[in-house]
Amino acid sequence: GAVVSQHPSWVICKSGTSVKIECRSLDFQATTMFWYRQFPKQSLMLMATSNEGSKATYEQGVEKDKFLINHASLTLSTLTVTSAHPEDSSFYICSARDPGLDYEQYFGPGTRLTVT
Amino acid sequence: GQNIDQPTEMTATEGAIVQINCTYQTSGFNGLFWYQQHAGEAPTFLSYNVLDGLEEKGRFSSFLSRSKGYSYLLLKELQMKDSASYLCAVRDSDYKLSFGAGTTVTVRA
Repeated sequence: GAVVSQHPSWVICKSGTSVKIECRSLDFQATTMFWYRQFPKQSLMLMATSNEGSKATYEQGVEKDKFLINHASLTLSTLTVTSAHPEDSSFYICSARDPGLDYEQYFGPGTRLTVT
Repeated sequence: GQNIDQPTEMTATEGAIVQINCTYQTSGFNGLFWYQQHAGEAPTFLSYNVLDGLEEKGRFSSFLSRSKGYSYLLLKELQMKDSASYLCAVRDSDYKLSFGAGTTVTVRA
C-alpha cells in the first residue's frame, strides 16, 4: 500500500514556541491531506482539510491562526502549531487521499507533541 | 455532522469471536470504514463498506445496513495481537472521516 510519512515522530517544546510538523506522501500524489488530533483515550478529531494549492478548510472550533496549514506540493503538507501551550500537547496524525483510489486514506505514523 | 456510537470496551478469549457494533446518524453518507489502532500508533485500515452487505477479509468481516445506520466488525479466531482499539468511521461526500470514540478490545489467554 501507499506510504505516508510524518516528521518529527515526537517533539518536546517550550510554551510559547512554534512547532512545524511535516506530512509527506511518498509514492503517490495527494491532492488532499487531512490533519487530525487525538488526545489520550479519545478518538481522532479532524482539525482541517488541506488541499494542494489552496487554503485549508478548518473544522468548527479549530483556530486557523494557531494551526497554520500549508499544502505547497502534491506530496507535502505542513502543520505549524504557533505559540504552543501545554493544552496543545497531543498526538497529531495526518492522512493523505490517493485520488486514484475510492476508499482509502493513508495515515501517517503520527507526531507526539509535548508542550512544557 | 455525524453522530457515531460504538461500545467503549469488550473482552474476549483467545480463539473466540467478537462483534463490535457501530450505529451512526449522518448527513451525506459516502462509506463506512473500520480501523485498528494500537496505543501510540496511527490507525491501520481494516475494511470499507459503501453498499449494504457483508465484506469478508480473512479473519475480519464487516457488515453495513445503510437504512438502519448500522455496521458491525466481526473478528474471528481472536489472537492476542488483536488487542487494540477499533475505530468506526463514516465518510461524507467531501471525503472527510468522522470517527467514533473507539472500542478497546482485550483478548485474554
